[in-house]
Amino acid sequence: EVQLVQSGAEVKKPGESLKISCKGSGYSFTSYWIGWVRQMPGKGLEWMGIIYPGDSDTRYSPSFQGQVTISADKSISTAYLQWSSLKASDTAMYYCARLGESYNELDYWGQGTLVTVSS
Amino acid sequence: SYVLTQPPSVSVAPGKTARITCGGNNIGSKSVHWYQQKPGQAPVLVIYYDSDRPSGIPERFSGSNSGNTATLTISRVEAGDEADYYCQVWDSSSDPLVFGGGTKLTVL
Repeated sequence: EVQLVQSGAEVKKPGESLKISCKGSGYSFTSYWIGWVRQMPGKGLEWMGIIYPGDSDTRYSPSFQGQVTISADKSISTAYLQWSSLKASDTAMYYCARLGESYNELDYWGQGTLVTVSS
Repeated sequence: SYVLTQPPSVSVAPGKTARITCGGNNIGSKSVHWYQQKPGQAPVLVIYYDSDRPSGIPERFSGSNSGNTATLTISRVEAGDEADYYCQVWDSSSDPLVFGGGTKLTVL
């Protein structure tokens, strides 16, 4: 069974750093792209970027380029999303999802990680 | 970048048919995927490659795509279908993964 399990909710202060994770199981982790999606409170889905864990090839949405860093450790089948200096506007739910190999659909999703940034 | 346009809301009575549209320039030339998101839950893929259903998705869910409009059709709507629905495509540009703004389906 394919599963993506994300790390737990975080409460941080503005200016702090953060790294959240997404662990894949039940499939060949190095053979599928993993994407990160932001959902701000009461809003829609926004694509942030994708990574291919096999070679760490990474692509960012222009909206998030330079704002976050996406990485992966294939030895432990885990992808990461990190911030060096959080802002209140980073408060959101963050989902990881696997890209299907044929049509670039997001076929499996993590349960989401809620990040709250507040002073 | 490529833009997908969805109606903010659609309402339907139980047992009737709901149609949710997703508009985009020549969207018929792209593969369209649809996601269902219920409150407090992660999105779930309900239609991929315009009209294919993942395993476990009821046959009541179907999709079509032609010209400038893709459509998600939900037949014999049930109360449990009440959710937000998002369309998505992959575009060959600098911002390739594109979501529509989402449509809230209300079952009356």
